[in-house]
Amino acid sequence: GENVEQHPSTLSVQEGDSAVIKCTYSDSASNYFPWYKQELGKRPQLIIDIRSNVGEKKDQRIAVTLNKTAKHFSLHITETQPEDSAVYFCAASITGNQFYFGTGTSLTVIP
Amino acid sequence: DAGVIQSPRHEVTEMGQEVTLRCKPISGHDYLFWYRQTMMRGLELLIYFNNNVPIDDSGMPEDRFSAKMPNASFSTLKIQPSEPRDSAVYFCASSRQKQYFGPGTRLTVL
Repeated sequence: GENVEQHPSTLSVQEGDSAVIKCTYSDSASNYFPWYKQELGKRPQLIIDIRSNVGEKKDQRIAVTLNKTAKHFSLHITETQPEDSAVYFCAASITGNQFYFGTGTSLTVIP
Repeated sequence: DAGVIQSPRHEVTEMGQEVTLRCKPISGHDYLFWYRQTMMRGLELLIYFNNNVPIDDSGMPEDRFSAKMPNASFSTLKIQPSEPRDSAVYFCASSRQKQYFGPGTRLTVL
């Protein structure tokens, strides 16, 4: 089955700096890659996603890139703010079928 | 759209009792997932359904856990008998390509 690895497990950045979280996957059939943000005590919330026919997608301060050849994808957050502090999960899926999650990255933005 | 609805939001019970968690998926979604989240084990997939049919229950920890989906708008996860190690947050999620999570049920087994 699919195996998703996520790095780093913890990340601290100064407010205003950029943060990058990286994930790799093993199954070349995976074609949908969502990212979730989970604040303390809350549910994971879908923040951005990308499909395998696209190399990059941006939404304001967040962006996701995908390298199908290398089987890795990354989340980029620019101009970080304290409210970006949360746990971020990447996932891989074959179009809405079973979702395979990474182990999460705890991001702390230091004011 | 109300999103995925779960009940109860919090459940405290004693070891040996039966616990039933409930989920109403987003209308029109054809996949439903049950996850368990703990600090030690992270987010674990327990079981998922497609069009009300269980597809993969390999994540269900043991026979004490069972899940049903009698129709497209309702699913239950039952633990009988419950044990302290079952204490966790249980999330239901539904998808039609994109997956959305419910608010979760925080279960504490004393």
